[in-house]
Amino acid sequence: EAGVAQSPRYKIIEKRQSVAFWCNPISGHATLYWYQQILGQGPKLLIQFQNNGVVDDSQLPKDRFSAERLKGVDSTLKIQPAKLEDSAVYLCASSLGTGLLSYEQYFGPGTRLTVT
Amino acid sequence: EDKVVQSPLSLVVHEGDTVTLNCSYEVTNFRSLLWYKQEKKAPTFLFMLTSSGIEKKSGRLSSILDKKELSSILNITATQTGDSAIYLCAVSGAGSYQLTFGKGTKLSVIP
Repeated sequence: EAGVAQSPRYKIIEKRQSVAFWCNPISGHATLYWYQQILGQGPKLLIQFQNNGVVDDSQLPKDRFSAERLKGVDSTLKIQPAKLEDSAVYLCASSLGTGLLSYEQYFGPGTRLTVT
Repeated sequence: EDKVVQSPLSLVVHEGDTVTLNCSYEVTNFRSLLWYKQEKKAPTFLFMLTSSGIEKKSGRLSSILDKKELSSILNITATQTGDSAIYLCAVSGAGSYQLTFGKGTKLSVIP
């Protein structure tokens, strides 16, 4: 079974530039999550999708971050304009979305973003 | 706001030692507690503990949930250098499947 795919793996941009990350979840997983992990911290949830609808985006800085999951499969996370404090690893995860097994989230390799 | 505190933050042991990692939590309507291992980037799933499954074991790793003390431990016996990683604890509550993570415990196993 293929895992969660993410691209790019690394990205370096200057502040005020824009950047986009892509995620393809495990086939059949209805729920998709984007996390931000700053060095030395645990992952922090940014947004959760159930199929193509947003379940929770309360921790997403909406003035600069946006995310979409068209057709309920792939998802993109965008930052525009980027700030220095956005430097982090952005992790995408997916889960079945139904029942107790939905608490088991499977993570992609992440994208390491450096904002200079 | 849900909260997860892990201790210690870092730990250095010799191969063959047994280690115990701690996780305490505060969460509204507790549903589950999960342990992940993070070696490079992607956390990989280890265990999920719930009210109906408070003890899990897989090889040299085992975990127990103490709902009374709102805590969990992760035990690793006969540690190997391949166990070197950050171990993350996360909790879920209130039925939304969201996870709140702790900062992790960085385990270093030296030969």
